[in-house]
Amino acid sequence: AQSVSQHNHHVILSEAASLELGCNYSYGGTVNLFWYVQYPGQHLQLLLKYFSGDPLVKGIKGFEAEFIKSKFSFNLRKPSVQWSDTAEYFCAVNRTPGAAGNKLTFGGGTRVLVKP
Amino acid sequence: GAGVSQSPSNKVTEKGKDVELRCDPISGHTALYWYRQSLGQGLEFLIYFQGNSAPDKSGLPSDRFSAERTGGSVSTLTIQRTQQEDSAVYLCASSSLYRGFQSSGANVLTFGAGSRLTVL
Repeated sequence: AQSVSQHNHHVILSEAASLELGCNYSYGGTVNLFWYVQYPGQHLQLLLKYFSGDPLVKGIKGFEAEFIKSKFSFNLRKPSVQWSDTAEYFCAVNRTPGAAGNKLTFGGGTRVLVKP
Repeated sequence: GAGVSQSPSNKVTEKGKDVELRCDPISGHTALYWYRQSLGQGLEFLIYFQGNSAPDKSGLPSDRFSAERTGGSVSTLTIQRTQQEDSAVYLCASSSLYRGFQSSGANVLTFGAGSRLTVL
């Protein structure tokens, strides 16, 4: 079964610091990759996604993620965080684009606290 | 509707009672998912419906859990004889899905606000 691992459960940093959240998955086939974010008191929402093409994808609010197939990784980055980036971040993977549909498997989440 | 609607938003029940949680997906979305979010546990997949196909029930934690989706739209998650460990936020999500090729919208889940279940 596929699994998704997020290395850090909690991250605390100051405004303007750089952020990188690790994500690794176990499935060896073709995948779709996602990062979702849950701001305090809000719904989960899509931050960015990778389906194919350029492995460096850009999302909302200055976030980007790089797909490294050889490392089965899809790490999330932001060069300079703001207090409003305080949230929980979830990496997610599903298999075989174009198939009849597969469940989206989520990592355990990383809680990010940005101190003003 | 404009988004995924879930009800109730909060449910407090006594151990041993049955509960039903409802999800109304975005109109036209063929895929519907239930996840459970527990403190410190991330998002746990429960069940997935896709059109008229047999649902993927592989995430249901026990036979006390069941779900149905009527008419390809509204879904109900039922938990029988609730236990304290069932306390969690139950999230529903829906998505569109395109066969045969990738779409920028395919497989992107839109989540509801969740139903917070507390079992006393």
